[in-house]
Amino acid sequence: SQTIHQWPATLVQPVGSPLSLECTVEGTSNPNLYWYRQAAGRGLQLLFYSVGIGQISSEVPQNLSASRPQDRQFILSSKKLLLSDSGFYLCAWSTGSYNSPLHFGNGTRLTVT
Amino acid sequence: QKEVEQDPGPLSVPEGAIVSLNCTYSNSAFQYFMWYRQYSRKGPELLMYTYSSGNKEDGRFTAQVDKSSKYISLFIRDSQPSDSATYLCAMSAGGNNRLAFGKGNQVVVIP
Repeated sequence: SQTIHQWPATLVQPVGSPLSLECTVEGTSNPNLYWYRQAAGRGLQLLFYSVGIGQISSEVPQNLSASRPQDRQFILSSKKLLLSDSGFYLCAWSTGSYNSPLHFGNGTRLTVT
Repeated sequence: QKEVEQDPGPLSVPEGAIVSLNCTYSNSAFQYFMWYRQYSRKGPELLMYTYSSGNKEDGRFTAQVDKSSKYISLFIRDSQPSDSATYLCAMSAGGNNRLAFGKGNQVVVIP
């Protein structure tokens, strides 16, 4: 069966520091991969998605970037964190089928101080 | 008008009651509908996935879609304290990078 791993679970970082969140998927090949941010009362916001290695689409212009160095690895990064980057970051995967549902990891709670 | 509307709750019910959740939407092109369950500090877990109108049942869970009214529902029978969570609806017209999510409805099942 497929599993998705996200780490760390919790992170506290000062303003201006870099960020690297990692997500890996097991048990499937060539998945679509996604980064979402979930803010209280604001729902889920798609940040990036990827249909293959090196293929990244950005949905929201911001202080973040994403990379996919391997088929089942997705990384969310920032060079300098802002207070507004605080939130709950979720990685998700789906198969390459057009309308397959998303499966989420357990998220990273990021607090920028 | 927001694309997907969902009452945030909280909805409190006694153990054993039927929980009824719903979402309304404005985009008539939506045809794929999902319900996710999210426990505190965890990621959303897919509960139900339906296509177009009709009902789908899985154990104690029933999902209904009424495309004519742009309205979807999730029913939980014989609710348990372990059902206490936030339930999110999601839908798309096509393409899994184009999901529209509701904001989530918190449910509390009281023993």
